[in-house]
Parts: sequence; C-alpha cells; structure tokens
Amino acid sequence: NAGVTQTPKFQVLKTGQSMTLQCAQDMNHEYMSWYRQDPGMGLRLIHYSVGAGITDQGEVPNGYNVSRSTTEDFPLRLLSAAPSQTSVYFCASSQTSGSVNEQFFGPGTRLTVL
Amino acid sequence: LAKTTQPISMDSYEGQEVNITCSHNNIATNDYITWYQQFPSQGPRFIIQGYKTKVTNEVASLFIPADRKSSTLSLPRVSLSDTAVYYCLGYTGGFKTIFGAGTRLFVKA
Repeated sequence: NAGVTQTPKFQVLKTGQSMTLQCAQDMNHEYMSWYRQDPGMGLRLIHYSVGAGITDQGEVPNGYNVSRSTTEDFPLRLLSAAPSQTSVYFCASSQTSGSVNEQFFGPGTRLTVL
Repeated sequence: LAKTTQPISMDSYEGQEVNITCSHNNIATNDYITWYQQFPSQGPRFIIQGYKTKVTNEVASLFIPADRKSSTLSLPRVSLSDTAVYYCLGYTGGFKTIFGAGTRLFVKA
C-alpha cells in the first residue's frame, strides 16, 4: 500500500491564481481531511469528508473548496490564491470518523503564494 | 469545544524519561485521548491512544486519571531521534480534530 499520497510536493502561485492539491489513499478509508500548518504552529482543519459525496467545513474553510466523488480521492481547490494561504498542506485519512481512529497523514504540499 | 493545553517546549537528555502532560478539561464522554508525533517536514504520526487508566505500546505509555481531564505521555529513555513536536488531540462533535500548538521536545546528547 502507498498509504496517503499528495501532489505536488511544492508549488508557487501568484496572487489570484487557482489550483488543486491532490490527495489519494489506497486503504479504503471512509474519513479524509485536509489541514494546513503555518510555520511554528499546529495543524488546523480546513475541510473533511466522512464518505464519498459528503463533505463539511473545518476550522478554517474560507478560500478553499473540496469534493469527494470517490472513496480514494479528496482534492482541495484554492479558488483565488492569497499570500495568507502560504502554508504546508496535509491530507489525512482514517477508517472512520471519531476520536478512536488513527489518522494516516500524507507527506504534505508546501505552497507559497506570492 | 474540546481544546487541549500542553507545554510549549521541553528539553531533555538522552537516556532520560520524558513526561508530557496535556490538559483536556472539556473532553467528551465518548472521546479517546490520542497523541501524535511530528518530525520537521513530515506529516504527524500516531503514537498512542487510550480511554482511561494506562496504555503501553512499544513506543510510549499513556497515563489517564479517573476524571480524564488530563493525560500524560511518557517516553522512556529518549534518544536524539525523539526530538519532535508532540500533539495531544482534542475533538469537536466527533468529526473535527483539534491539534493545538503541540509540545516541542528537544533531546540533547
């Protein structure tokens, strides 16, 4: 199993550009989520999904869209990039939702918005 | 809102036992207590999880008092490679994970 994969690893955008961060998992996990981590800070939840076709907002959802058309994929879209979105983005998955479940994290995407 | 509070940083020496305590006053009855480890430029990694009393695995021990308002992660005989950030997780509504700022552990030779 590859686990949780994310592409790209690095990305530089100009203000106002849009892009999609890709996340895929091959563990047949129902729960997937996106976090951002700013320098020296903890992770903050952006959006999450408890299954295909179901998504909801986390702590910091503004400026981001998600969709979940398959169990395996959970892309994160930046609609109009802003310098405040410069961060490292992590995708995670777990078997189900709830605190009892171990979350598996991807390697992250380092995004810089100029 | 089930936020957590833990020390910002800790220093230790190789071979010592390290104990990191987390306060989670608003933990829900159904929530487990979970700790993650994060190395620089990597995603967090699950370390240990428990509901009450004591849990031990090959990496760490987790001590949870009866009131469950706090927990202590114990790392036995740390090495330089244990230098990392350790997170005690909180939860909201069962779906939303709250990481908090974490505890930066620095292990010195």
